[in-house]
Amino acid sequence: AQKVTQAQTEISVVEKEDVTLDCVYETRDTTYYLFWYKQPPSGELVFLIRRNSFDEQNEISGRYSWNFQKSTSSFNFTITASQVVDSAVYFCALSEEGQAGTALIFGKGTTLSVSS
Amino acid sequence: DTGVSQDPRHKITKRGQNVTFRCDPISEHNRLYWYRQTLGQGPEFLTYFQNEAQLEKSRLLSDRFSAERPKGSFSTLEIQRTEQGDSAMYLCASSSRRLSSGANVLTFGAGSRLTVL
Repeated sequence: AQKVTQAQTEISVVEKEDVTLDCVYETRDTTYYLFWYKQPPSGELVFLIRRNSFDEQNEISGRYSWNFQKSTSSFNFTITASQVVDSAVYFCALSEEGQAGTALIFGKGTTLSVSS
Repeated sequence: DTGVSQDPRHKITKRGQNVTFRCDPISEHNRLYWYRQTLGQGPEFLTYFQNEAQLEKSRLLSDRFSAERPKGSFSTLEIQRTEQGDSAMYLCASSSRRLSSGANVLTFGAGSRLTVL
């Protein structure tokens, strides 16, 4: 069965600190996709990144970076030099190829609070 | 196109009443999803349409819930005989398999928040 675990419920940091959000997933499929979404206080989920199971290259986009490790079934997200605008709930999600519609299975989310 | 639109944004109703939510997806997207999100939880999948066909339903979707997408464009989610446990944010998302390889990237609407008194 598919499962996504985000063990950190809440994280508080001060501006300019680096912060890593953890995500561990479970799947029996060899082909799957991992996602991160951001949900700011306004409520609308915003897509950040999609990674397929065959691509273990880490990715960097500005202050954001993602570390995908199949050996530990983890897809962690790091924000460098955090800013107040990064305050939001961050969700990791998984979908399996071959599932009709490839619906996303979300973790429970990590609430990040960045203070000035 | 301005994204996925949901209406109403907020609905307060009394237990036992019926409610209906509407979702207008991005126009070129042929896939439409409904999710439910309760406080402190991630979104949970409810159902999925490809064009007008409802192809998948979660066990979460009890027989009091019905979703339609009559012409393959907008969709409605109706909850009959609402219960307090139905209080949640109902999220709609859309995607297009044709426009992306592999798994879809879902674009979400802002949600419809339901409060059942």
